[in-house]
Amino acid sequence: AQSVTQLGSHVSVSEGALVLLRCNYSSSVPPYLFWYVQYPNQGLQLLLKYTTGATLVKGINGFEAEFKKSETSFHLTKPSAHMSDAAEYFCAVSVGYSSASKIIFGSGTRLSIRP
Amino acid sequence: DGGITQSPKYLFRKEGQNVTLSCEQNLNHDAMYWYRQDPGQGLRLIYYSQIVNDFQKGDIAEGYSVSREKKESFPLTVTSAQKNPTAFYLCASSRGQGLNTEAFFGQGTRLTVV
Repeated sequence: AQSVTQLGSHVSVSEGALVLLRCNYSSSVPPYLFWYVQYPNQGLQLLLKYTTGATLVKGINGFEAEFKKSETSFHLTKPSAHMSDAAEYFCAVSVGYSSASKIIFGSGTRLSIRP
Repeated sequence: DGGITQSPKYLFRKEGQNVTLSCEQNLNHDAMYWYRQDPGQGLRLIYYSQIVNDFQKGDIAEGYSVSREKKESFPLTVTSAQKNPTAFYLCASSRGQGLNTEAFFGQGTRLTVV
């Protein structure tokens, strides 16, 4: 069965430091992977997605993620953290068939930014 | 503006009552989803629908029911059989055709049992 594992339920970094949020997936077929961000009491917003092609994907707000098939990973990074990045981040994978797909989410990582 | 509207934003329910959460989208999306969010557990799929008049159970469907009579609407009923209904509920939609289509989310409904 396809699944997503996010390592670390809470990550804290200093403002200006590198942000690294880890995501590993299991999939028997080429995966379609997503990162979403959620601010308190709101819905989720798409940061970026990997479908096919270039393995380094750039998203909104300066985030990017690299698909590494050999490591079954899709880690999210940002070179310099900003206070406004404090939120919860979810990695997700699309599973099923083209005509009957669904999206499975990881358990989330809460990102805190220290002044 | 196109998007997904969930209502109400906050909902209080007495034990033993059924309640219905509304979800409407004007994105002309085929697929719609309901997720439940609890602290530390991420999003768990309750039900999803790829086309009108058809829907499938997700991972935690017990105690919930849905209908999909119109493309733009996918209401969720939390029944009295759901033993722990207090949670944040998120509705989403996607084009549905193909695995590379992302989901768009509503702002959520926070349900509290009193």
